[in-house]
Amino acid sequence: EVQLLESGGDLVQPGGSLRLSCVASGFTFSSYVLNWVRQAPGMGLEWVSIISGNGDTTYYADSVKGRFTISRDNSKNTLYLQMNSLRADDTAVYYCATKRVGTNPFDYWGQGTLVTVSS
Amino acid sequence: EIVMTQSPATLSVSPGERATLSCRASQSVGSNLAWYQQKPGQAPRLLIYGASTRATGVPARFSGSGSGTEFTLTISSLQSEDFAVYYCQQYNNWPPLTFGGGTKVEIK
Repeated sequence: EVQLLESGGDLVQPGGSLRLSCVASGFTFSSYVLNWVRQAPGMGLEWVSIISGNGDTTYYADSVKGRFTISRDNSKNTLYLQMNSLRADDTAVYYCATKRVGTNPFDYWGQGTLVTVSS
Repeated sequence: EIVMTQSPATLSVSPGERATLSCRASQSVGSNLAWYQQKPGQAPRLLIYGASTRATGVPARFSGSGSGTEFTLTISSLQSEDFAVYYCQQYNNWPPLTFGGGTKVEIK
């Protein structure tokens, strides 16, 4: 059974930093592209970032480019999102989601971790 | 960036009735369109991919159609567990991967 478990969400002040983690099990971790998707309270889904199976290729939404860094440790089956210079509009539930290589949708999602940016 | 537009924003339907949800892309995405279901407090769940292929375990009352820029999700006979928010997503041309704003299916 595929499982994705996010952690690291917290209350942080504007301008602060936070690192999210997503631990995976139930599939061959290094074979999957991984994503972060967020959802602000009461709002829709917003794709944040994507990373290739070996970690060499990454892309970001314009809203987080230069502030967030996605990475992965395939030896630990773990995906990360380093978030710096946090702003109030980064407040959201952050989900990790898997995607098979190629033109494919997001197969599996974690339950999410809440990040609140507020003073 | 491909903009995905869903309509209506809210759909009020009685149990047992048919629900039809629409999704439009600002440019062609071929058949690279997915639908997700999200219930309150839960993560999204993949329902349909390739515009019309049901994901594993998805009941046959869910069907998807369309290609290019116009897509439809149909729920043939709404069950109580189907009341949720539904999102479309294009994965044809990225980054960015883009979602529609969602359609909330509520009990009439």
